[in-house]
Amino acid sequence: NAGVMQNPRHLVRRRGQEARLRCSPMKGHSHVYWYRQLPEEGLKFMVYLQKENIIDESGMPKERFSAEFPKEGPSILRIQQVVRGDSAAYFCASSPARGGADTQYFGPGTRLTVL
Amino acid sequence: GQSLEQPSEVTAVEGAIVQINCTYQTSGFYGLSWYQQHDGGAPTFLSYNALDGLEETGRFSSFLSRSDSYGYLLLQELQMKDSASYFCAVRGGYQKVTFGIGTKLQVIP
Repeated sequence: NAGVMQNPRHLVRRRGQEARLRCSPMKGHSHVYWYRQLPEEGLKFMVYLQKENIIDESGMPKERFSAEFPKEGPSILRIQQVVRGDSAAYFCASSPARGGADTQYFGPGTRLTVL
Repeated sequence: GQSLEQPSEVTAVEGAIVQINCTYQTSGFYGLSWYQQHDGGAPTFLSYNALDGLEETGRFSSFLSRSDSYGYLLLQELQMKDSASYFCAVRGGYQKVTFGIGTKLQVIP
């Protein structure tokens, strides 16, 4: 039973490029959450998605950031025109149906470095 | 919105007991969770309290007092591998969870 999968594990981009982070939830999980973590800091909620729907994106910057969770395939967090301040670890978590947010299963994260 | 407070660092001796406190302010409350994260690793779920009282899972226990907006994580028989960051998290609304800044636990011999 595979856990939450994220790829790539490490991503290096130059300023102005695009970063695409992928997350495959655990089998049977239909809810996906994205978080950002800076060194020595906590997890900052970015967005919560269900299949084909963005439920809550209140933690996501209005510009340059977008997320999707299509009917088929992984959830994608896209960061356009990256800046150095986007360098962080991005974690994806998944949970089963309603109420599952209290028990989230995290992927290994993608460490984004912007040069 | 939600806000959580927990100590930034705690040091304890191997074999001892340590308690990590968490206080929260939230407009709604569904439950308090705890997660462990080792350096460079992913957070892993430890425990969840929706109702007042103590939940025990092996060496780890978690307590909640809804009237005091307070909870704690209790780690017993500390081992070196318990050195990690511990996050409390509150679900104050539909499916959205807010995490505290984390408590870095250092276990010393």
